[in-house]
Amino acid sequence: DQQVKQNSPSLSVQEGRISILNCDYTNSMFDYFLWYKKYPAEGPTFLISISSIKDKNEDGRFTVFLNKSAKHLSLHIVPSQPGDSAVYFCAASGNYGGSQGNLIFGKGTKLSVKP
Amino acid sequence: DSGVTQTPKHLITATGQRVTLRCSPRSGDLSVYWYQQSLDQGLQFLIHYYNGEERAKGNILERFSAQQFPDLHSELNLSSLELGDSALYFCASSVQGYNEQFFGPGTRLTVL
Repeated sequence: DQQVKQNSPSLSVQEGRISILNCDYTNSMFDYFLWYKKYPAEGPTFLISISSIKDKNEDGRFTVFLNKSAKHLSLHIVPSQPGDSAVYFCAASGNYGGSQGNLIFGKGTKLSVKP
Repeated sequence: DSGVTQTPKHLITATGQRVTLRCSPRSGDLSVYWYQQSLDQGLQFLIHYYNGEERAKGNILERFSAQQFPDLHSELNLSSLELGDSALYFCASSVQGYNEQFFGPGTRLTVL
């Protein structure tokens, strides 16, 4: 049972346009959400995060939006650049049961930004 | 560079064998997490250690074990290896109380 879902395996965007990556979750005990970027043969790199008490967090070209009622979050990249081409993972965490902050990941969305 | 180091980068071994993967966390981080990424799965949480003590277990097989040493480095031991254990194994570290985890480059394990 997938608690974090990224329903789009891939996304292709033109350079300079907006990239929107989506993520849905099912566990209402999650209280922190993160986005990671991963290049082939490298470990995931932390991008941006958001606490469940907020609905938006911005860092440069990256903005994460959280809709708790819909259990949905999205990552906006504006403007998209060819160097943004990578796999993006959504992750969630919460202090419940024996979770102790471990991350639950979606399966990733491969973003291709075309020049 | 995240500051988390993992060795070896690649490991090729045979079924039934035992291997040890090593991780050094970022300076100052007391928490170490292990994740497995296989071809058809996303990143799966295996186990979390904090300052030498086990804090949480995920879907970790009984054939797998881990420990964190006084110098805070951690080792993941995989025994009686099967073909299905072939995967990327990532270590991550974090500061206690913060959710952001920083990942190492991973160890690619191939079981033949």
